[in-house]
Amino acid sequence: GNSVTQMEGPVTLSEEAFLTINCTYTATGYPSLFWYVQYPGEGLQLLLKATKADDKGSNKGFEATYRKETTSFHLEKGSVQVSDSAVYFCALEERGAQKLVFGQGTRLTINP
Amino acid sequence: ETGVTQSPTHLIKTRGQQVTLRCSSQSGHNTVSWYQQALGQGPQFIFQYYREEENGRGNFPPRFSGLQFPNYSSELNVNALELDDSALYLCASSQPGTVNSPLHFGNGTRLTVT
Repeated sequence: GNSVTQMEGPVTLSEEAFLTINCTYTATGYPSLFWYVQYPGEGLQLLLKATKADDKGSNKGFEATYRKETTSFHLEKGSVQVSDSAVYFCALEERGAQKLVFGQGTRLTINP
Repeated sequence: ETGVTQSPTHLIKTRGQQVTLRCSSQSGHNTVSWYQQALGQGPQFIFQYYREEENGRGNFPPRFSGLQFPNYSSELNVNALELDDSALYLCASSQPGTVNSPLHFGNGTRLTVT
């Protein structure tokens, strides 16, 4: 079945550091890929998405590129802020299914 | 435009009891999905409702059931609660057919089973 594997956390960085959170997936067909963010006490917010190979999703300084050849969708940000502290989830959606398969999440803490 | 709202925010139940969680979908959305998020884990798909009919189900036993109403709001019912049912239950709404329609999540209901 479809699955998503994320980089083990927690991840702790200093403000303005470079961030990478790795995500790889296993899927049949050509899924859409997503990154969601969950702040303390809140639900999930869509951070960015990509729907086909080589697409780059971006939002709020975060980027991720859909790499079909390596089945990856790594999340990157050039300079993190304290406000980026949250749990990040990589997810895939089978084409048209509107059902998400999530990774286990990566807790990110940014220290000032 | 109102977002997805869930009630209650927190709930404590005893093993063997039954619970009903509620979700109001975002305005204009006719599809509601429910997810279970255990502590420290990613959300897992329970089921989805589209136009009041179940439209896909994850690997959850029949004691997890749901309803969707004509106004597209939804309920998740769990019978014979077990300790492992303790989790954050997330509702998400969407509008299929819209190009790249994303899921919009509520803030969840935290269920504790003792």
